[in-house]
Amino acid sequence: KNEVEQSPQNLTAQEGEFITINCSYSVGISALHWLQQHPGGGIVSLFMLSSGKKKHGRLIATINIQEKHSSLHITASHPRDSAVYTCAVISGTDKLIFGTGTRLQVFP
Amino acid sequence: DVKVTQSSRYLVKRTGEKVFLECVQDMDHENMFWYRQDPGLGLRLIYFSYDVKMKEKGDIPEGYSVSREKKERFSLILESASTNQTSMYLCASSLAGGSTDTQYFGPGTRLTVL
Repeated sequence: KNEVEQSPQNLTAQEGEFITINCSYSVGISALHWLQQHPGGGIVSLFMLSSGKKKHGRLIATINIQEKHSSLHITASHPRDSAVYTCAVISGTDKLIFGTGTRLQVFP
Repeated sequence: DVKVTQSSRYLVKRTGEKVFLECVQDMDHENMFWYRQDPGLGLRLIYFSYDVKMKEKGDIPEGYSVSREKKERFSLILESASTNQTSMYLCASSLAGGSTDTQYFGPGTRLTVL
């Protein structure tokens, strides 16, 4: 069993839909990252969280430390949101552990 | 059996009145949503909530506010109803991490503002 699990693995949506991507982890962490990679593009860090929530435009990331769970929400999704979204945690031993990624496709 | 209920099926209010629309779900879902549906415009998201006391604006939040004091209940408030808020209002809920096709909708409240 992976120490960082994401769901769903693949997600398709119509433009305008609300999207949630889920990340659960089984290790103690000091922080969690949400990363985005467009096809053919580099990896971009969207958020780094250690508690609560952060918001940037249409993207919202939340983390529940007690439940070892984080969600990435996208409101009013757009085809340009199509990308692979990955959560990565920094463990208590400063090890970076990646989730398996969620491939999102948003259709017009 | 999955259940999302809304307090009223039909409601008629006067301009300027304060209106409360209540939504309750019994599935222990984290996410709850308020939409309005108008002919030719489809569903438009007003507000959503991903946890108790947490709320985020959707596409058309102007003229509305929401309250989520308990996990199972999400209220939509029209502080001063106007005629352009005459619409069908739909509440929905979903599990955290679910995709949009697992949203469960209530029966809707048809609000008329005179």
